[in-house]
Amino acid sequence: EAGVAQSPRYKIIEKRQSVAFWCNPISGHATLYWYQQILGQGPKLLIQFQNNGVVDDSQLPKDRFSAERLKGVDSTLKIQPAKLEDSAVYLCASSFQGGMNSPLHFGNGTRLTVT
Amino acid sequence: SQKIEQNSEALNIQEGKTATLTCNYTNYSPAYLQWYRQDPGRGPVFLLLIRENEKEKRKERLKVTFDTTLKQSLFHITASQPADSATYLCALDMMSGTASKLTFGTGTRLQVTL
Repeated sequence: EAGVAQSPRYKIIEKRQSVAFWCNPISGHATLYWYQQILGQGPKLLIQFQNNGVVDDSQLPKDRFSAERLKGVDSTLKIQPAKLEDSAVYLCASSFQGGMNSPLHFGNGTRLTVT
Repeated sequence: SQKIEQNSEALNIQEGKTATLTCNYTNYSPAYLQWYRQDPGRGPVFLLLIRENEKEKRKERLKVTFDTTLKQSLFHITASQPADSATYLCALDMMSGTASKLTFGTGTRLQVTL
């Protein structure tokens, strides 16, 4: 099966600019996640979708981050305006079910550098 | 507060030896615990899942234990090879508000040398 696809692979922007990331999950996976991974740390969940509804966005900085999953398939994550501390790898993952006994399949991420 | 702790220092071992990585957690009782492998520039890859009522799970050269009394999971790689060099992350379901979400530790980097 094809894996989780993410683009772009790398992005460099200046602070206060906006940026968007795209994710295409594994076909048939109902649950989609966006994680932020800062260098030297583990991934931190930003938002979780079940089909096209939000299950958890408690750690999403909603004043600058937004995400959507139209038609329950692809998803985009946007940052506007970006801050220096947003420099990180943004990982998209999907799972067949949303339960904690369902393994996550990750894409290779988008590395964002904010200067 | 709930915490997951993995040894932040890299683990260096010789090829052929058994590598043992530790994941400790506090102030929570997860129903599941998962282990992932992450290579540089890549997303994490799922390795094993163990449930709270399972003491041990094996897959090829990998073995995971789950001690809910000690609040600890051990991840073993037997007959380690240089190709096993990577960062290994443990993850468990933790409550955040009213939702349960998969929360990752910081990972331990394993280096297997010839």
